[in-house]
Amino acid sequence: DTGVSQNPRHKITKRGQNVTFRCDPISEHNRLYWYRQTLGQGPEFLTYFQNEAQLEKSRLLSDRFSAERPKGSFSTLEIQRTEQGDSAMYLCASSPRYEQYFGPGTRLTVT
Amino acid sequence: ELKVEQNPLFLSMQEGKNYTIYCNYSTTSDRLYWYRQDPGKSLESLFVLLSNGAVKQEGRLMASLDTKARLSTLHITAAVHDLSATYFCAVDNSGGGADGLTFGKGTHLIIQP
Repeated sequence: DTGVSQNPRHKITKRGQNVTFRCDPISEHNRLYWYRQTLGQGPEFLTYFQNEAQLEKSRLLSDRFSAERPKGSFSTLEIQRTEQGDSAMYLCASSPRYEQYFGPGTRLTVT
Repeated sequence: ELKVEQNPLFLSMQEGKNYTIYCNYSTTSDRLYWYRQDPGKSLESLFVLLSNGAVKQEGRLMASLDTKARLSTLHITAAVHDLSATYFCAVDNSGGGADGLTFGKGTHLIIQP
């Protein structure tokens, strides 16, 4: 399978714990995006990488959130001190230029 | 701030009928995307519209873009049950994708026999 992959697919955590998600983009796609989707809403942009450089961050990305893309390959999204409001589906997408291909997402539940 | 509005947000229709979903956006953009999402699944790319007047068709779905009116439409012809899903339009206003996409709230489509 050469699509975008994300791990884990589901994560349940207690409030206050830290969580980290991983995204493996389609190989040779230099652009990588993170989005968050809550029930009944469209995805909301969080951050964007071109190769290893993080070029844009949404105001939705509070200082509890950090994302990296070492060596311009896979990316990680970490949420520190999780809150119940962080419960959502976290989607990763990669793109060669315009069209974005989405991964299956990581569903986070904060209890 | 870019706003993307879809209507209707919910649509129940019968098989065999035609219908159109509308997507309006608030700032100038030459790139508009349509995605499909099934319950509990990720987003599947349907169409990428990259210029004014662009029209693309795939099976029973046809999408068009009018950048002057800031309007895109997704037309469904002779609907079948398998097309039941949530459809999102999304706009890229950065001139290169650097800001990510801004999505509408989605149109939840149910097609009944």
